[in-house]
Amino acid sequence: DTAVSQTPKYLVTQMGNDKSIKCEQNLGHDTMYWYKQDSKKFLKIMFSYNNKELIINETVPNRFSPKSPDKAHLNLHINSLELGDSAVYFCASSPSRGQNTEAFFGQGTRLTVV
Amino acid sequence: GNSVTQMEGPVTLSEEAFLTINCTYTATGYPSLFWYVQYPGEGLQLLLKATKADDKGSNKGFEATYRKETTSFHLEKGSVQVSDSAVYFCALGRNAQKLVFGQGTRLTINP
Repeated sequence: DTAVSQTPKYLVTQMGNDKSIKCEQNLGHDTMYWYKQDSKKFLKIMFSYNNKELIINETVPNRFSPKSPDKAHLNLHINSLELGDSAVYFCASSPSRGQNTEAFFGQGTRLTVV
Repeated sequence: GNSVTQMEGPVTLSEEAFLTINCTYTATGYPSLFWYVQYPGEGLQLLLKATKADDKGSNKGFEATYRKETTSFHLEKGSVQVSDSAVYFCALGRNAQKLVFGQGTRLTINP
């Protein structure tokens, strides 16, 4: 019954490694997002995909590459991990049509780079 | 650009106390306003929202009124419980495409 699910929940890895975080939503939404929450709890959007197409790409290093195989999935791949990438990453989804739509969030993936 | 400013935390209260968490915003146009809550170890959940000026959002005893004249959306609850301990985020957006979040306010309720 989980609406937006992310895996893994925790990820500890060494600097320089490449890792992926997976996200799936079963709400039938057209739009999916990745947000980053830093250690001070600041939440900032990274990417937004609508029907598998990138529509928002904030100032994120190109080591971060989102991939959307279908509109129910939006995975985040990170190359050459750095210490500063340590954060909690949240996936979210929303309907693409209509004003004042809300976003539904996953539980988050806590990434720790050592 | 759009921005949201929340009162700095952490906020610590005793059970049954009155809660106010301030939120002010700057925005172009007429965005919707949201309060999200993040319980320990969990993702964000929508707590309440208001889509136009003077609207009041309410849920689980929490309320917030969209005040255009003061550009505010303060969160209030008359009597808090230990289970309300969480981080609360104020956010705005015309739709969910590009929500802008405040910095979050950590609330701890002591029995």
